[in-house]
Amino acid sequence: TQLLEQSPQFLSIQEGENLTVYCNSSSVFSSLQWYRQEPGEGPVLLVTVVTGGEVKKLKRLTFQFGDARKDSSLHITAAQPGDTGLYLCAGFSVYNTDKLIFGTGTRLQVFP
Amino acid sequence: DVKVTQSSRYLVKRTGEKVFLECVQDMDHENMFWYRQDPGLGLRLIYFSYDVKMKEKGDIPEGYSVSREKKERFSLILESASTNQTSMYLCASSLSDRAGDTQYFGPGTRLTVL
Repeated sequence: TQLLEQSPQFLSIQEGENLTVYCNSSSVFSSLQWYRQEPGEGPVLLVTVVTGGEVKKLKRLTFQFGDARKDSSLHITAAQPGDTGLYLCAGFSVYNTDKLIFGTGTRLQVFP
Repeated sequence: DVKVTQSSRYLVKRTGEKVFLECVQDMDHENMFWYRQDPGLGLRLIYFSYDVKMKEKGDIPEGYSVSREKKERFSLILESASTNQTSMYLCASSLSDRAGDTQYFGPGTRLTVL
């Protein structure tokens, strides 16, 4: 059962544009993480959010955890070609804290 | 820096062959994980281990087994490879089993079963 749905699945934009990726679930998560995966590499952790409503900024990336801890968003301002990659959300469900559940992924392509 | 290495980047095997995928981490992490990654499905957990000689089934363990004889090494075994096991396999490790702990991933092994 896929508990984390990401949208959009694919995104192609020009350099300088803004974008938002969504990660949604009907389940509550104790924490939620965002990873970026570049071609030929494994995912690398960008951020962990643990409190409902929490907002974290990482340079041009803004991450938000929903108030009810069921969803999250990643907003990129003024995207650059270096932001190209696969973005994955992942969370620890409150019902099973042993396993990290991954979202379906959003593949982002930023053209110069 | 944490380093997780996987024995092969690319592997091609025939149906019915026994396949070993090796993973080594150099940071004395307690936990190790094997995932497979398929387009549109994200990462799915196959097996994980919290200690030497200990293993737990993940969400899709069928057709796979694992071995953890040493803390730093976690092996994934396909006893009799099948074409539906063609996939990208990712190994990861983490320091503890606390929810929210960072998982560090290896570069992946792209396995093709003919």
